[in-house]
Amino acid sequence: GENVGLHLPTLSVQEGDNSIINCAYSNSASDYFIWYKQESGKGPQFIIDIRSNMDKRQGQRVTVLLNKTVKHLSLQIAATQPGDSAVYFCAESPNAGNNRKLIWGLGTSLAVNP
Amino acid sequence: GAGVSQTPSNKVTEKGKYVELRCDPISGHTALYWYRQSLGQGPEFLIYFQGTGAADDSGLPNDRFFAVRPEGSVSTLKIQRTERGDSAVYLCASSLTGGVGYTFGSGTRLTVV
Repeated sequence: GENVGLHLPTLSVQEGDNSIINCAYSNSASDYFIWYKQESGKGPQFIIDIRSNMDKRQGQRVTVLLNKTVKHLSLQIAATQPGDSAVYFCAESPNAGNNRKLIWGLGTSLAVNP
Repeated sequence: GAGVSQTPSNKVTEKGKYVELRCDPISGHTALYWYRQSLGQGPEFLIYFQGTGAADDSGLPNDRFFAVRPEGSVSTLKIQRTERGDSAVYLCASSLTGGVGYTFGSGTRLTVV
């Protein structure tokens, strides 16, 4: 399943399928882009980040793609599991030395159907 | 501790009252951030501490909000004359200096009635 970010805040997928969550960012000066996962009643949990000089980075079952030409970021989750159900936020970090405050997107709710 | 601890987990207060929210970061993390999250929204930056000093307080909405971190570890967010619009989840996060992979606490849910 694929979500087009701000226009479709909910994504529903079948267990075992791959998920793609999209995000548009705004600041060309940002040098890090990050994905966080937030479960109900908990704080956001870091998933993966990517530096602005890269276009792809892989983690365990997750891949982040960065397209600076169109200011687009995506998170791909392979073999989605029920435990992946959560709200996913993209965030960007403007280049400001040690100050890594984040500017957050609106979030996409991922529901995994067993 | 193993994670970021925030207390209380829930706080209900009357409009006009003063509240303090506490954050205990991961030991050794010099960077500490406060964010505020309204229902259905992404977190909104409030303030960043590097050690004991508030290096960036540009996100504090007005002078009713203040935060301290006197010994470079525990931080307290203080809100004076609370208003109903202050109701939100207040999140604290810590990281090693310059890192974007924060560890967040579970937040304090503040409700102003």
